Amino acid sequence: GQNIDQPTEMTATEGAIVQINCTYQTSGFNGLFWYQQHAGEAPTFLSYNVLDGLEEKGRFSSFLSRSKGYSYLLLKELQMKDSASYLCAVLDSNYQLIWGAGTKLIIKP
Amino acid sequence: GAVVSQHPSWVICKSGTSVKIECRSLDFQATTMFWYRQFPKQSLMLMATSNEGSKATYEQGVEKDKFLINHASLTLSTLTVTSAHPEDSSFYICSAREVGLASSEQYFGPGTRLTVT
Repeated sequence: GQNIDQPTEMTATEGAIVQINCTYQTSGFNGLFWYQQHAGEAPTFLSYNVLDGLEEKGRFSSFLSRSKGYSYLLLKELQMKDSASYLCAVLDSNYQLIWGAGTKLIIKP
Repeated sequence: GAVVSQHPSWVICKSGTSVKIECRSLDFQATTMFWYRQFPKQSLMLMATSNEGSKATYEQGVEKDKFLINHASLTLSTLTVTSAHPEDSSFYICSAREVGLASSEQYFGPGTRLTVT
C-alpha cells in the first residue's frame, strides 16, 4: 500500500529553526510537495521537489532523498504566523497526490 | 499566480436537501480538478478526480450517486451533495491542475464549509 508518515505535532520557539520530516512509500514517484494549512483554511503551496537535494526559498527549505524515500521541510527564523499544519504529499505514478496526515506546528514565544 | 475560487465559502442546509458547490479556475484552464473533504483535525481526503468532458473517478468508499460531480468546462467543476445528512458536514476543498502539466502543483480553492442541521 501507499504510505506517508510525518510527525503528528511539533513545538518550537519563535526565532528558532525546526525540521519537519516526511517518509514515504508509494507506487511510483513524480515529485513531493509541501503545503501549509492554517486552521479553517485551504492548503497553500510551499515547495515541490522532484530531484534529490535541497531547494531553498526564503525562510523555508525542502530536501529530498528519493533513494531513502525521505524529505524534510526546514523552517528558519520562526514567526508566530508559522503556526499551522504542514502537509507532505507525493505525486505517484498515476500523477495522483498521496497525502500525509499533516504535522501541526506550534510556535511558542 | 493561478487562482481557484469556490462558491459558496460556507453554507448551512437542512437534512435531506441538496447543496451545490462550484469550483472555478480563474486565470488558467484546468483539465483536471480534484475534490477533497477534510474533517476537523484530519488530513485531506480525496473524494474524486474530475476530468473535463468525462465522468469523474471516485475514490473507494465515496458514493457517486450522493456526491455528483460535473466538469462541464475547462474552468468549472461542481460538486452537488444530494440528500445531505449531518455526517456530511465537513470542509470541502477543490483543487485544479493546469492543462498539459501533469506534474505541476495543484492550486487549491479556499474551501467550502458545509453544515447540515
